[in-house]
Amino acid sequence: DTEVTQTPKHLVMGMTNKKSLKCEQHMGHRAMYWYKQKAKKPPELMFVYSYEKLSINESVPSRFSPECPNSSLLNLHLHALQPEDSALYLCASSQVLQREWAGNEQFFGPGTRLTVL
Amino acid sequence: DAKTTQPPSMDCAEGRAANLPCNHSTISGNEYVYWYRQIHSQGPQYIIHGLKNNETNEMASLIITEDRKSSTLILPHATLRDTAVYYCIVRLYSGNTPLVFGKGTRLSVIA
Repeated sequence: DTEVTQTPKHLVMGMTNKKSLKCEQHMGHRAMYWYKQKAKKPPELMFVYSYEKLSINESVPSRFSPECPNSSLLNLHLHALQPEDSALYLCASSQVLQREWAGNEQFFGPGTRLTVL
Repeated sequence: DAKTTQPPSMDCAEGRAANLPCNHSTISGNEYVYWYRQIHSQGPQYIIHGLKNNETNEMASLIITEDRKSSTLILPHATLRDTAVYYCIVRLYSGNTPLVFGKGTRLSVIA
């Protein structure tokens, strides 16, 4: 199974709502990532988890709260978002410890398209 | 900031080879060249990576110049399904090093 799944596929929320995005993988990967992609722009890193611990936070506003409850799941909790937060949110996973040439490519999910009204 | 420069767009006739260039003149000795692509409304997909030797897999070939300052991704027989944005990324070979995406090249394969 080389698939990263993300739910929901689409989400529309108001600025006062609280919602969560979910990401799941069963490849045994111990690094998981959240990226944000605005229309016609490249993906931008938000967070990295390594062995279920947050290792990188790219100065993301606190209205985005990541959580990694176990090695297969990654959540992104959303609260009090702004319309400019509307974007495609991509989850990815990869191995951490590498043998040379073992291939540490990141596997991406299809994304959640978020619209904030 | 991305460490690579790519042309914003390219066209390729279906069935012909697509050659996508990438400049990475500031690459350091322990950095690899990775290629990903993103088909419209999907997540990015890994294609290939290399250090200094040319590499080939079932999807593509990667040619890296001897000075490692540039590379070319080759799709040998492009199909309409290869229409996508192609990203060239320079990255340390470490399992949880995030990807820093540049603007990429939008490849249009034309029938």
